[in-house]
Amino acid sequence: DGGITQSPKYLFRKEGQNVTLSCEQNLNHDAMYWYRQDPGQGLRLIYYSQIVNDFQKGDIAEGYSVSREKKESFPLTVTSAQKNPTAFYLCASSQPGPKGWNQPQHFGDGTRLSIL
Amino acid sequence: AQTVTQSQPEMSVQEAETVTLSCTYDTSESDYYLFWYKQPPSRQMILVIRQEAYKQQNATENRFSVNFQKAAKSFSLKISDSQLGDAAMYFCAYRRSRNSGNTPLVFGKGTRLSVIA
Repeated sequence: DGGITQSPKYLFRKEGQNVTLSCEQNLNHDAMYWYRQDPGQGLRLIYYSQIVNDFQKGDIAEGYSVSREKKESFPLTVTSAQKNPTAFYLCASSQPGPKGWNQPQHFGDGTRLSIL
Repeated sequence: AQTVTQSQPEMSVQEAETVTLSCTYDTSESDYYLFWYKQPPSRQMILVIRQEAYKQQNATENRFSVNFQKAAKSFSLKISDSQLGDAAMYFCAYRRSRNSGNTPLVFGKGTRLSVIA
């Protein structure tokens, strides 16, 4: 079945350490997204990519980096510059349908990142 | 920039009753899409219902329906015959128009719905 796989499910980061969250999709979607979820904050956009080798910053990109070398993969690196990385991270993908851009985004199951 | 506001952080409903969750948004565009997502304790994001702004008819999906008031920029979700499995966080989301390509969603902060047996 097609879907989005995020790994790991839980991740711990030490002070000063960079960590990378994996996101892989086999839906053949062009666009992929990273959101951060904090209690009471909803989902906030970190980065998104509309096509391979291209990506744009979202509302809270500082302290994060991404790459999009393959259509199916969109890894997110949380750098040591991100001072408050503890959150739930969701990856999503999307593609227009026959009726246009009203198709929903498909989400992975998320990664919970905590500081040690 | 577009914003989405959910003014009810928490709501509760008796099983089998009806509840309405509120959502307002701010945009200068005339063509866009609106969504309601459900996030149960498993934290999966599940699409509940979607609405195209160019359609006047309110969307319905079984027990779920919306009241879309374009002039008022309001998009409320009504859940009829509430079930225990409806207990979750509900997010309202906005997406730009058909001609904007693959654009991100803008989410509200969510409403936590409890269902009382």
